[in-house]
Amino acid sequence: QKEVEQNSGPLSVPEGAIASLNCTYSDRGSQSFFWYRQYSGKSPELIMFIYSNGDKEDGRFTAQLNKASQYVSLLIRDSQPSDSATYLCAVSPGGGGADGLTFGKGTHLIIQP
Amino acid sequence: DAGVIQSPRHEVTEMGQEVTLRCKPISGHDYLFWYRQTMMRGLELLIYFNNNVPIDDSGMPEDRFSAKMPNASFSTLKIQPSEPRDSAVYFCASSSPLEVRTDTQYFGPGTRLTVL
Repeated sequence: QKEVEQNSGPLSVPEGAIASLNCTYSDRGSQSFFWYRQYSGKSPELIMFIYSNGDKEDGRFTAQLNKASQYVSLLIRDSQPSDSATYLCAVSPGGGGADGLTFGKGTHLIIQP
Repeated sequence: DAGVIQSPRHEVTEMGQEVTLRCKPISGHDYLFWYRQTMMRGLELLIYFNNNVPIDDSGMPEDRFSAKMPNASFSTLKIQPSEPRDSAVYFCASSSPLEVRTDTQYFGPGTRLTVL
């Protein structure tokens, strides 16, 4: 059974601070790792993907991957109230566009103004 | 592009009734995914298609669920008979390995199903 675990939160972070979201996965065969953002009542939206160990930066977002520890994280710098949402971690055995994704249940992030 | 289109957006039905959910993927996308989201189980993959052919249906919970993709621009997810535990938000997503962002699955707005 492939599992992706996330702390459900809520995680409360002051505006302007760094928000750190974490995820672990059980399937060592996973090759691709994704972070989706989901606003309440809306559909998930991809914000980052990462394949290789290490860090990947895109604007205020940094994804970190450690395959040996089966651990993925997302850092959000200079957090804004508009970042308040549920963040879903997802993994795939291959490329995320051509394989179904296994999602965690998400971490609810609240950015306090 | 209009994005992934799903209908209906909301569906309320009674236990035992047949329910059909519809999805139109983004034009040119050759992968289509059906997911279900509940508070208890999160977002789960039900089935996905490539070029209209089902590739993996291991997530379909029971024989009451069936999915079809008769052509590249239309897919259905049918539940017959429906049960209260089927109440969830059902998302359709599509993707294309030919796009620049090859690993992106684009999600539709979802269908909120309530079975009474």
